[in-house]
Amino acid sequence: QSALTQPRSVSGSPGQSVTISCTGTSSDVGGYNFVSWYQHHPGKAPKFMIYDVSKRPSGVPDRFSGSKSGNTASLTISGLQAEDEADYYCCSYAGSDTYAVFGGGTKLTVL
Amino acid sequence: QVQLQESGPGLVKPSETLSLTCTVSRGSVSSGSYYWSWIRQPPGRGLEWIGYIYYSGKTKYNPSLKSRVTISVDTSKNQFSLKLSSVTAADTAVYYCARIPDGNNWSPFDYWGQGTLVTVSS
Repeated sequence: QSALTQPRSVSGSPGQSVTISCTGTSSDVGGYNFVSWYQHHPGKAPKFMIYDVSKRPSGVPDRFSGSKSGNTASLTISGLQAEDEADYYCCSYAGSDTYAVFGGGTKLTVL
Repeated sequence: QVQLQESGPGLVKPSETLSLTCTVSRGSVSSGSYYWSWIRQPPGRGLEWIGYIYYSGKTKYNPSLKSRVTISVDTSKNQFSLKLSSVTAADTAVYYCARIPDGNNWSPFDYWGQGTLVTVSS
């Protein structure tokens, strides 16, 4: 059981947009603006895509965007491309005892 | 850009100690600008943060694993290591090492290794 809840899978066609949700509680996602997202192609190192809810590190396309409402954070990928097919994980600060908690991951399929 | 690579035994017997090393290249574990972390993912489950270490030796561990975890750093080899004692099948997972920038507030994991699968079985 992961601390943060994500849908197990989402899908979309090339060019479309998809949104992946990440639901926590007021003790993590809802309590801080410290949500990050990671893209993981199996067998490769996870890649850092979003931090502080909606900021993009250098080199991440602006097709990737993040947002938050209450206890739910979201990652939106617009203009879907074949290479976006991967697993996506959300992560949040959860207070001074635990540095970070993660979601269970969402498999994005580009149809 | 920095690269991280995990190494260690892929099979550990129950009740024994799991030991992994993360070798950092194109970067330095002695840099005061970063923390160095371990994260794991059991099969079919989500990611779990294990702990982190600063070059000075300062550590922080996940409370759920704290009694069994030790993270250390070897600046001479540019490596940091994980030891998890008294392992059970529940500790079977892909183990990742990752870097955390030392910022004013909470910082994400900006670079990761590819991960290494450790199976606990007799």
